[in-house]
Amino acid sequence: QKEVEQNSGPLSVPEGAIASLNCTYSDRVSQSFFWYRQYSGKSPELIMSIYSNGDKEDGRFTAQLNKASQYVSLLIRDSQPSDSATYLCAVRGSGGSYIPTFGRGTSLIVHP
Amino acid sequence: EAQVTQNPRYLITVTGKKLTVTCSQNMNHEYMSWYRQDPGLGLRQIYYSMNVEVTDKGDVPEGYKVSRKEKRNFPLILESPSPNQTSLYFCASSLAGVTGELFFGEGSRLTVL
Repeated sequence: QKEVEQNSGPLSVPEGAIASLNCTYSDRVSQSFFWYRQYSGKSPELIMSIYSNGDKEDGRFTAQLNKASQYVSLLIRDSQPSDSATYLCAVRGSGGSYIPTFGRGTSLIVHP
Repeated sequence: EAQVTQNPRYLITVTGKKLTVTCSQNMNHEYMSWYRQDPGLGLRQIYYSMNVEVTDKGDVPEGYKVSRKEKRNFPLILESPSPNQTSLYFCASSLAGVTGELFFGEGSRLTVL
C-alpha cells in the first residue's frame, strides 16, 4: 500500500513569515509530485508540480524534492492570510502506477 | 472556460433511493476519477477511468458504480445509498500523461438519511 504522510497541523505562522509544509512517501519508484491547495468547503486546486530532485520556484511558492530521502516540501514565502488553507501532497508512481495517491493534508493558518 | 462540472452540488436523500451524480469535463481529458472526502480521512479514490469504456476500482469502490460511455462524462451511481455514504464527493480529470495534474469539480455534498 503506497502511503503519503503529512502532519495534519494546524501549522500557524504570522503574516510575512515562511511557511514550510512537509510530505513523505513510501513508494521509492514514485516519479511525480504535486501540491494542491484546498480552501474550506472548496475543491482542491493544483499549485505546484515537481518531477526532479531539487527546487522549483513559482512566485512565492517553492517545491523541494529529495527522492533519496523520499520527501517533498512546499515553502510559502511572505505568507498571507489568504494562504490559510489545507495543503494536500500527492504522489504518482511510474510505469503502470498512473494513479496519484494523496496525503491527508496539512492545515495552514496565517495570522495577521 | 476549462472546467469540470458536477451535479447536483447538494443532495439530501434517504437510504435505498438510487441516485446519480453527474460529472462532465470540457477539456478533452482522457483520465477521470471520483473521490470522496471525509473529515480526518482525506481524499479517497472511488473509481477512475483511463479512457472511454475503461474503468477501474480505486480504494473505496464498495456501494458505487461508474460508467464511461463518452469521453467527457463520468457519472457516479449509488444504487442503494446508505448513511455511511454521506460525504463530499469530487470528480476530477486530467490528460492521460500527467494524471497527477488534476482538475477538480466543485464538489457534491451528499447526505443519506
